[in-house]
Formats: sequence, structure tokens, C-alpha cells
Amino acid sequence: NAGVTQTPKFQVLKTGQSMTLQCAQDMNHNSMYWYRQDPGMGLRLIYYSASEGTTDKGEVPNGYNVSRLNKREFSLRLESAAPSQTSVYFCASSQRDYSNQPQHFGDGTRLSIL
Amino acid sequence: TQLLEQSPQFLSIQEGENLTVYCNSSSVFSSLQWYRQEPGEGPVLLVTVVTGGEVKKLKRLTFQFGDARKDSSLHITAAQPGDTGLYLCAGGPPRGEYGNKLVFGAGTILRVKS
Repeated sequence: NAGVTQTPKFQVLKTGQSMTLQCAQDMNHNSMYWYRQDPGMGLRLIYYSASEGTTDKGEVPNGYNVSRLNKREFSLRLESAAPSQTSVYFCASSQRDYSNQPQHFGDGTRLSIL
Repeated sequence: TQLLEQSPQFLSIQEGENLTVYCNSSSVFSSLQWYRQEPGEGPVLLVTVVTGGEVKKLKRLTFQFGDARKDSSLHITAAQPGDTGLYLCAGGPPRGEYGNKLVFGAGTILRVKS
């Protein structure tokens, strides 16, 4: 079972470049999430999609946009990359947008911005 | 803003020793999840606790949710090298608040030496 698949796994960008991180899940989950993980800070929620057709801001949305393309896919876009956005990005999904639902994570995209 | 503080940040122990990781907050959570993350991979759910005072056991791992649902602990008995990894606690939204947005602690890096 693939679960949550993120592409690419690694990427290096120059300041000001744009990029879209892709995420797809094959578990028929309704809710999807984007997090960033920085050393010493745990995971912080960027954006989430409670269900197909809806998106909402999380804790750190500035500099990012998202698109819930369909039930399976949820992409994260950096319009003008900045060095502060160097991080590991994780996509996750859950069956529903209910509290206590386990979240299933992909293996991350490691993004460096020079 | 809900915050979760984990301690210790780093733990290096010998195989066979016992250890406890703590997750504390001044906020009340509807649930508390514990995840384990290995290098190059995404977090994987270990357990969810939802009731104040709840204790759950997973083989050598014991998880406890505080009576007031503000804190949690993870106790590992007779640690093994395979327990090495990053342990993350994550709190669900306060009761009465809808959704599955998680607040993560910064994590505890556990290294078990053979």
C-alpha cells in the first residue's frame, strides 16, 4: 500500500523561484494537511483541507498557497521562495476532520532555498 | 495559541534501561496522540488517548493522559536499540472546537545504545 506519496523527495531552489510540492493519498481519506518541520520546533501546520473543495489556513500560512485538486491530491505552492522556507515538508491525511482521527504522513520533501 | 512542551529534548541510554518522556501544556486538549519518526520518514502514530487519566499499553510502551487533559507521558520499559527515533506528542483541538488540527511538541530524540 502506497499510503501518502510526496514528490519530489528533495529540491534546491534559488530565492524568488516558485515551486509546487505534490501530495497524493490512496486511502480514500477526506482530510489532508501540509506541515513543515524545522529543528527544535516540531511540526507546524501550514494549511489543511477538511474535505474536497475546502481549504483553511493553519499556524504558518504566509508565503504558501494550496490547492485541493480532487479527493486524492493536495498541493502546496511557494510563489516566491525565501531562505526562511528551507524546511522539510510533510503531507498527511485522515479519514475525517474529526478530533482523534489518526493522521497518516508521507515521507516528506526536503527543500533548500539558497 | 496552544503550546506543547516536551522533555527531555534528547535522551541517550543503554539497552535495558527504562525512560519517561513528558509532554506538558497549560491548555486542555480533546485528545493526545504520540507519534514516532525515523530519519528520512514521516511520523507514524503509536497511540491516541482521549480520556483524562487514561492509560494505554503497547508492548513495552505505556502512555498516560493527565487527569486534566493538559499533559501526557510515555514510559518505555527495557529500551531496545529498535526504539531509537524521534518521539512526538500532538494535541487535538480543545473540546467543543471542531476539526482535526494538531499541535505538535518539539519532540524527544531517543538513542538506545546496545
